[in-house]
Amino acid sequence: DAGITQSPRYKITETGRQVTLMCHQTWSHSYMFWYRQDLGHGLRLIYYSAAADITDKGEVPDGYVVSRSKTENFPLTLESATRSQTSVYFCASSGTSGNNEQFFGPGTRLTVL
Amino acid sequence: AQSVTQLDSHVSVSEGTPVLLRCNYSSSYSPSLFWYVQHPNKGLQLLLKYTSAATLVKGINGFEAEFKKSETSFHLTKPSAHMSDAAEYFCVVRYNTGGFKTIFGAGTRLFVKA
Repeated sequence: DAGITQSPRYKITETGRQVTLMCHQTWSHSYMFWYRQDLGHGLRLIYYSAAADITDKGEVPDGYVVSRSKTENFPLTLESATRSQTSVYFCASSGTSGNNEQFFGPGTRLTVL
Repeated sequence: AQSVTQLDSHVSVSEGTPVLLRCNYSSSYSPSLFWYVQHPNKGLQLLLKYTSAATLVKGINGFEAEFKKSETSFHLTKPSAHMSDAAEYFCVVRYNTGGFKTIFGAGTRLFVKA
């Protein structure tokens, strides 16, 4: 199916563990983004990627790592999860024009115990 | 510095009455502006976007927004609220500064009373 998907949809982990959240899009969009959504903060950009092998930090990158070896995939890794990383994570993609809207995945709810 | 301010964290209306969700932005660049809606436990869905064409933009589900450059505003309106409009709404600004920068407002939660 065309679109943008995220997996897993729900994840519970413990502090100190490594966790990878997956994002896959089928539109061949150049740009991909990772956001976290927390009460009182709206959506905050963690990392984004303008193309394969090109990534850049957003507003809140500490504690996260991304890679983009293929255009369609943009995994987000928490190298050593902390309780403060409990959040809902959204992946998004968009075309290259500034006029292009972002298309959002359904989100991953991550709980770090 | 670029910023987006949604002036109300919560708005409550009765079904059938008009909706107004306010958004102001500051920018040194010509932005693209978007409104997204998020229903509970769902992802974000685009309602409408402004991209320097007509200043009055019509979106899905009867929503529209007017870009007012002199007021740096992009308020979202709907003539008659429906129960299904209850959700959180985000105003989003996107700038081309060599790389695209996207800023989300904090969100406005819309309550619709029967």
